[in-house]
Formats: sequence, C-alpha cells, structure tokens
Amino acid sequence: EAGVVQSPRYKIIEKKQPVAFWCNPISGHNTLYWYLQNLGQGPELLIRYENEEAVDDSQLPKDRFSAERLKGVDSTLKIQPAELGDSAVYLCASSLDPQTTDTQYFGPGTRLTVL
Amino acid sequence: AQKVTQAQTEISVVEKEDVTLDCVYETRDTTYYLFWYKQPPSGELVFLIRRNSFDEQNEISGRYSWNFQKSTSSFNFTITASQVVDSAVYFCALSEEDNTDKLIFGTGTRLQVFP
Repeated sequence: EAGVVQSPRYKIIEKKQPVAFWCNPISGHNTLYWYLQNLGQGPELLIRYENEEAVDDSQLPKDRFSAERLKGVDSTLKIQPAELGDSAVYLCASSLDPQTTDTQYFGPGTRLTVL
Repeated sequence: AQKVTQAQTEISVVEKEDVTLDCVYETRDTTYYLFWYKQPPSGELVFLIRRNSFDEQNEISGRYSWNFQKSTSSFNFTITASQVVDSAVYFCALSEEDNTDKLIFGTGTRLQVFP
C-alpha cells in the first residue's frame, strides 16, 4: 500500500515569492493534516481536514498561508508571500477515522528554504 | 496545559548497547494517548506505538520496549542491542480525549548508533 506522498521534496525560493506544496494521503484516509516542523523541533499542527472540511485551522497563519482539499483527497498548502522565517519542513499526514483516534501516518515532507 | 518533554537532546551509543529515551508528559485529562515516532534522515515520521492512558502494561516489540508509568507521567522507550539503522530522531507525542486528533510533540531525541 502506498504511503502519504508529498511533492516537491525540496524547494528553494526567494523571499516574497509564492510557493505551494502538494500532498496525496493514503487511499481511503478521510482525515488529512499539515504540520510545520522547524529545525530541532517537533511537528506542529497547521490545519486538519475531515474530507473537504477544514475542522481545525487555528494554528494556520491566515495572512499568508492557505490550504485546500477540494475533492476530499489530495491537498495543497500555499504560502504567499514567503518570508525568511517560513524556512522549515512541511509535513503531511493522514488517518483513517478520527473518531477512533486512528494513527496518523506521515509523508516524507517538503523542505522549504527561503533566501 | 498539555506538554511533552524529551530532555535528552542527543544520545550516542555504540552498536549492541541498550539505550533508553525518556519522555515526560503533562495533561489534565484522565483519558489521553501517547505515541512514539521515529524520524530517520529521509524525513518521514514512522509510527512506532500508541498507548492509551488506561493501559499501563509495558509493551515489547522485538528489540523495542516501552515503559508507561502514570505515577511519574513518563512513557520511556528502550532499544535493546542497538543497531546503526536505529540512528534517527525519536519523537514522543501526546493527544487528549477532547481533541484526539491533535498530536502534541516533544522536541525529539537524536540517537546516533556507531558501529
């Protein structure tokens, strides 16, 4: 079974440029998560989707970050414009059924460098 | 407030040594869940174990074992006869009953196993 797929794996951009990350969850997983992982830190939740609905986006900096999961499958996270402090790893995870505290499975992440 | 502390930033051992990674958590909930994830250099977080607060039985899986002690709010992870392939960053995480989808991660412990 394929795991969580993310692309690109690495992205280098200049500040003020836009950037987008893509995630395809494990087939059949209804819940999708985007996490931010700064160097030397654990992941922090940015947004959680149940199917198409964003059910927890309280940690998403909405002035520059946006996300969508239009058909309840894959998702895109966008930053516009990027700032130097956005350099980090952006991880995507998915789980089968949030009502059963189902385990979250993570993708390999996208490492963003903002110059 | 919920919090996970991994006081060991980095541990170095020689192959075949046993090593214990510490995890201390804080929560006001009586129902909660504890997790361990492994993050190898490839970046993907690999799920290792989930434990609920009502199950204090220790668990063993091959060379891995986990010691859950509610009295000290600890959920420690031991690798027996470590191998070079065990080198990774290990994260302990907590989720609470009223928000089971939200994982609170510690800052991780980097384990280096030398041949």
